[in-house]
Amino acid sequence: DAGVIQSPRHEVTEMGQEVTLRCKPISGHDYLFWYRQTMMRGLELLIYFNNNVPIDDSGMPEDRFSAKMPNASFSTLKIQPSEPRDSAVYFCASSEPTGTSTSYEQYFGPGTRLTVT
Amino acid sequence: SQKIEQNSEALNIQEGKTATLTCNYTNYSPAYLQWYRQDPGRGPVFLLLIRENEKEKRKERLKVTFDTTLKQSLFHITASQPADSATYLCALDGTGGFKTIFGAGTRLFVKA
Repeated sequence: DAGVIQSPRHEVTEMGQEVTLRCKPISGHDYLFWYRQTMMRGLELLIYFNNNVPIDDSGMPEDRFSAKMPNASFSTLKIQPSEPRDSAVYFCASSEPTGTSTSYEQYFGPGTRLTVT
Repeated sequence: SQKIEQNSEALNIQEGKTATLTCNYTNYSPAYLQWYRQDPGRGPVFLLLIRENEKEKRKERLKVTFDTTLKQSLFHITASQPADSATYLCALDGTGGFKTIFGAGTRLFVKA
């Protein structure tokens, strides 16, 4: 398996622009997580999905952030409009179905490094 | 609110020695605790999970303990190698299920 795939790996954009980050989870995993990592705040959970349905979005910082999962193999995290304080590394992770022996183990993608100028 | 604390200072040890990393938590009773490794420029990689009813878990040179009374987990790497140099993150389940809260991580440097 190719693991969790994220694109782009790097994104540089200007303040006010829309940014879309993409994620393809591992096939067969039915949990998908979006995280943001900064030096100041560490690794923070933004939102997670189960079977394509958002379960908890309490970590989404504000209305400028939105996430979707239209099918089991694709998810997006969108920031509109972007601000310099959104600069961070954004990770996507996935987990196997509940009840499996490794159901809590999360597999992370390589991340997208976002810079907003 | 739930809080996880890991040593913010980097840990420097000599090759062959045992590295011990600490994870303390407050205001919560997690059902399980996980340890991940993160290398620069990469996503975290799962290492071990220990449940609340387990005192100790081992995997090769790794050992994790979980003391729910002290609200602490210790992560040990025996016979450490320079390749073990990385940041190690502990993570707890949040309000239940799959919501995960990560600690800030401890940077480990193993010198040859």
